[in-house]
Parts: sequence; C-alpha cells; structure tokens
Amino acid sequence: ETGVTQTPRHLVMGMTNKKSLKCEQHLGHNAMYWYKQSAKKPLELMFVYSLEERVENNSVPSRFSPECPNSSHLFLHLHTLQPEDSALYLCASSLSSGTRDTGELFFGEGSRLTVL
Amino acid sequence: GQSLEQPSEVTAVEGAIVQINCTYQTSGFYGLSWYQQHDGGAPTFLSYNALDGLEETGRFSSFLSRSDSYGYLLLQELQMKDSASYFCAVNQAYSGAGSYQLTFGKGTKLSVIP
Repeated sequence: ETGVTQTPRHLVMGMTNKKSLKCEQHLGHNAMYWYKQSAKKPLELMFVYSLEERVENNSVPSRFSPECPNSSHLFLHLHTLQPEDSALYLCASSLSSGTRDTGELFFGEGSRLTVL
Repeated sequence: GQSLEQPSEVTAVEGAIVQINCTYQTSGFYGLSWYQQHDGGAPTFLSYNALDGLEETGRFSSFLSRSDSYGYLLLQELQMKDSASYFCAVNQAYSGAGSYQLTFGKGTKLSVIP
C-alpha cells in the first residue's frame, strides 16, 4: 500500500474509445502529477496540479485531458488515442513545497494502457 | 534544455558494492533524487541531495557535486532483492506558484547475480 491508488491497473482500448484513469491519494498532499513511462524512455512529466490548479502541461496532446476535482483525486481522460500512447501511466503526489525540500514524490503502481 | 545521463545497465555480484553515476544539465537546480523501481511496481524514493556531499541511509548512500553537475548512488552489501531499475531525477523550479518538478533520467537496470 503506497498511499496512492490508481485504477484501473490495466486498460485496453480502441482508438475511438473514451476512457478515464483515476488516482486517489490518502497522504494529505496538495500536489498531484501524471507521468508517462514508456519502454527505454525516461519518465515523462505530463501534468502537474498544485492546490488544485494546473501549473504544468508539458506539451501533451489534447487527446489527454486531466481533471483535479479536489486535492485527493486526479483523473486522466483519454479519447481518440493512438497506438503509440500505449504505456504505463503513473500518478504521484507530494506536498507542493515539500518536493523542493525533500525531492520526494509518492507514486501509485500505475495504469498499464494498451491502445489497439 | 535539460538532460540527465546514467548507464542503462549494470551487473554486480551479491554482497558486492555498486555505484550508479548520474550527470545532469539543467537550470533552476534544487537537488538530485534517486528512485528504485522493481518490475511491475511503483517507483519508490530512496534519497535526496540538495547540498554537496554524501548522504547515507543504511546500505544505500548518495553523493552530489553541484559544481560538477554529478551525483551517484552507492549500494553496499548487494542483495538479490536490489535487482531493479534505479532513476536519478533533478528537482527544479518552473513557472508557477512555488512549484517544483522532478525530471527523470532513463534509469539504470541493476542485475544482482549470485
């Protein structure tokens, strides 16, 4: 139990489907992140929410749409994805100022996405 | 731009010591973190260096030289369970209300053999 829970753990979808990934943290943090992890590539930061405001969008295609309704929940809405979007999507949380002082993010175990 | 370099793979013998190096180029640098990730698992935090020098946590130690833009993770008394991927990550500020982000390297896959 990492304190950060992601669902579903595995998802297979067609290119015309619409699905959502969910992340929930029980650590009292106020910053949440989406990372993409593909084989042979570094973890890529996609979105950052701090105090429920989106503070970073790293040139992510519009077919990925994040939502942060409160400091404990984060969603990633997916639509008209491409096969190259198949990857492990990791959610993480931290105290927004704590990352500077501790360099520590708390990750969930990820949602393995396969786009057919 | 920003970049991090670390070896892609390292193999070491059980009971030995291994050092995983990381060099970086970035702006707004605050510190260097290390994470461990077992296959199929979540990345987990190991250590953080904001100042030059060595930080020790049990069998793991991490070192930072800000002037050389260089750090390393040292694993002692290797155990089979240490087989995993190890990522260095730079902690840096970016535009936004006091926001910080971690930019990760590609990771080093450590294999511990008997």
